[in-house]
Amino acid sequence: DVKVTQSSRYLVKRTGEKVFLECVQDMDHENMFWYRQDPGLGLRLIYFSYDVKMKEKGDIPEGYSVSREKKERFSLILESASTNQTSMYLCASRWSSYNSPLHFGNGTRLTVT
Amino acid sequence: GQSLEQPSEVTAVEGAIVQINCTYQTSGFYGLSWYQQHDGGAPTFLSYNALDGLEETGRFSSFLSRSDSYGYLLLQELQMKDSASYFCAVGGAGGFKTIFGAGTRLFVKA
Repeated sequence: DVKVTQSSRYLVKRTGEKVFLECVQDMDHENMFWYRQDPGLGLRLIYFSYDVKMKEKGDIPEGYSVSREKKERFSLILESASTNQTSMYLCASRWSSYNSPLHFGNGTRLTVT
Repeated sequence: GQSLEQPSEVTAVEGAIVQINCTYQTSGFYGLSWYQQHDGGAPTFLSYNALDGLEETGRFSSFLSRSDSYGYLLLQELQMKDSASYFCAVGGAGGFKTIFGAGTRLFVKA
């Protein structure tokens, strides 16, 4: 069974802090994704990576950056956290084929105060 | 750009059939997928359509019409455990970029 593990289930940070959200998958998937989920807005794509060291902006990349130094790990970085980044963050991975399903982690609920 | 539209809420009774529609706009089409998410849980994959027509998986079926940029998820013999949010998603940008709709909250009543 595919396992996508996000390092924290709940996180509380202060405005202006640099925040790291970590995601690890154990299936050697090429593609990895970061989404944020907000009520009424569904899942919005922040960044994705189609292979190691490769990254592409999604629809809402502002205020975020990512790092993929190893195939199994995809990190989301909030350079200077703001209250409007309070959200549920979901990591996903899949094989590099457009008909391959996304496998999601359980999410990190980030609160920025 | 890419966008998807689906109803925000649907209510149905146990044992009934419900259809959740999805219309999409995308530059480059790489299939329509459906995901289910229970409260507090992660989204899980239900189905994928790349070609026109109906795909059936047990009580769930998914339909695609590429000419109409339209698809739907059909849930039969509804059970209480089907109460969840359902998301349609399309692949674009070479298939790598997967964009989701805002989700449809399904309430199943006894």
